[in-house]
Amino acid sequence: KAGVTQTPRYLIKTRGQQVTLSCSPISGHRSVSWYQQTPGQGLQFLFEYFSETQRNKGNFPGRFSGRQFSNSRSEMNVSTLELGDSALYLCASSPGGGAGYGYTFGSGTRLTVV
Amino acid sequence: GQQLNQSPQSMFIQEGEDVSMNCTSSSIFNTWLWYKQDPGEGPVLLIALYKAGELTSNGRLTAQFGITRKDSFLNISASIPSDVGIYFCAGPSGGGADGLTFGKGTHLIIQP
Repeated sequence: KAGVTQTPRYLIKTRGQQVTLSCSPISGHRSVSWYQQTPGQGLQFLFEYFSETQRNKGNFPGRFSGRQFSNSRSEMNVSTLELGDSALYLCASSPGGGAGYGYTFGSGTRLTVV
Repeated sequence: GQQLNQSPQSMFIQEGEDVSMNCTSSSIFNTWLWYKQDPGEGPVLLIALYKAGELTSNGRLTAQFGITRKDSFLNISASIPSDVGIYFCAGPSGGGADGLTFGKGTHLIIQP
């Protein structure tokens, strides 16, 4: 069965621009979570969507937003990019949400802001 | 928020050696997850622990859920070159849908 697919794999953007990242979860999984990974801060939770509703949000500014579609695919958007937004953005899918179900991660999108 | 402290930060070992790493928290976790991340890839779930005292194996990997629910351990026996990578512990941040809190990771380097 296909895993979690994230596109694009690599992205270079300029400060001030906006970016949209895409995530297709495992078929049948209804929960999608997003994480930011940087060398300094490690893996940090951004937000989680379940059945098109944002269930929770981590401690990130409002420039970071997301949405989930009826087919469970999710997108996250970062507006007014800053140099510090350079990171690996990871998407994880789960059957029903919650750590008890386990999370399967995609390979990530490497965003570089110049 | 909750924090997970992983140690050691990095390990340099010889192929064939056993490896032990641990993760501690100041607050109680109801689930412990151990992930491995290879360069350029996302974390892959190795072992999930759901009950205090639980000991679970996955091949050469064994993990334990501490009795106090504030710690967990991962052991790798007879390490091989493909064990190289970063190992993360993780647990639910709070409630069932708050995402995961991750430790900073243990970087395992194996010398042939």
